Amino acid sequence: SQTIHQWPATLVQPVGSPLSLECTVEGTSNPNLYWYRQAAGRGLQLLFYSVGIGQISSEVPQNLSASRPQDRQFILSSKKLLLSDSGFYLCAWNLQVNYGYTFGSGTRLTVV
Amino acid sequence: AQTVTQSQPEMSVQEAETVTLSCTYDTSENNYYLFWYKQPPSRQMILVIRQEAYKQQNATENRFSVNFQKAAKSFSLKISDSQLGDTAMYFCAFMNNNNDMRFGAGTRLTVKP
Repeated sequence: SQTIHQWPATLVQPVGSPLSLECTVEGTSNPNLYWYRQAAGRGLQLLFYSVGIGQISSEVPQNLSASRPQDRQFILSSKKLLLSDSGFYLCAWNLQVNYGYTFGSGTRLTVV
Repeated sequence: AQTVTQSQPEMSVQEAETVTLSCTYDTSENNYYLFWYKQPPSRQMILVIRQEAYKQQNATENRFSVNFQKAAKSFSLKISDSQLGDTAMYFCAFMNNNNDMRFGAGTRLTVKP
């Protein structure tokens, strides 16, 4: 069966520090991968998606970047965090359109 | 661009009663997919139910069912026999054939004992 792993679960980082969040999918090949951000009490904002290794599409230009170095690995990064980068980050994957997305357990990022 | 609207930011229901969450969407496409996701306090996003637009029959998953009105572009979620564990944020989502999923702003549901 397919599983998605996302870590770390919680992260507190100072302003100006780098960021690396990792997401890995097991049990499938060539998944579509997604990074979402959710501000407190609000909806989901799509940040990046990837349909294959090295293929990254950005929805919102900002302080973050994404990479897909391996088929089932998706990384969200920043060189210098801003206070506004605080939020809950969710990774998701799918294969077929009609099955929707399966989400990871999320990372709560607090920039201080 | 497709948009998804959830007009009820918050709702509450007594345990064992029935509640309906509203969702409308806007699209010019004929074939698409609709979903309801549940986000409990743990913030894990859990798929509750899905509906394919070309199917007229409303989807049902145990206590959860939908009322899909394609002409009205409406996709409401009905929760029967509400349980305390149903307390969560509920997100309506629309997906087109390009795998592009859009979410509504969510409805916070509280089930009261």
